Amino acid sequence: GAVVSQHPSWVICKSGTSVKIECRSLDFQATTMFWYRQFPKQSLMLMATSNEGSKATYEQGVEKDKFLINHASLTLSTLTVTSAHPEDSSFYICSARTGTLAGETQYFGPGTRLLVL
Amino acid sequence: QQPVQSPQAVILREGEDAVINCSSSKALYSVHWYRQKHGEAPVFLMILLKGGEQKGHDKISASFNEKKQQSSLYLTASQLSYSGTYFCGTEGSSNTGKLIFGQGTTLQVKP
Repeated sequence: GAVVSQHPSWVICKSGTSVKIECRSLDFQATTMFWYRQFPKQSLMLMATSNEGSKATYEQGVEKDKFLINHASLTLSTLTVTSAHPEDSSFYICSARTGTLAGETQYFGPGTRLLVL
Repeated sequence: QQPVQSPQAVILREGEDAVINCSSSKALYSVHWYRQKHGEAPVFLMILLKGGEQKGHDKISASFNEKKQQSSLYLTASQLSYSGTYFCGTEGSSNTGKLIFGQGTTLQVKP
């Protein structure tokens, strides 16, 4: 159980285009999902917290107008990188919690590699 | 604030033991441990809640000292499959579920 999927697994796009990444919890309902970005050989950096039915909460330094997050249902959250530029190239990973209590396990999706040319 | 992991890297022979430490400057509610292999997403290992918990899973165990705001991951009789980067993720007391990850510890197990 507790499987999280992401789509696409990798994407190459031209500078200036927008890219949408989907995160789905396959066998559980996730009231909260998280979006991370990871550069090569670095740690996971939390970008935003996505709650179903409400606006996402962004971490300091993350542009909310550039990284649009929509938590449409209890099993789906999407991250749209708008007007992508080469510096946005990274490994984007989502995670989902199985519950709402503190100390709940987060399960990660397989990640999406974005390369902006 | 990002927790600090030590060591940054460790190389072992199969069968040897290793300890990875995670320290935070802030009060913690829980510590989550993950292992990530190159090019893949992190895989959940275990979670420790406040209260001085200690857990074990096969030959991997961990402890959490709430007062010292520290957690340690113990790998015993290491196997080749243990190779990867280990991250601790710390959850503060505010119950938002947000995890702040350490910089990672790269473990390489050689035959």
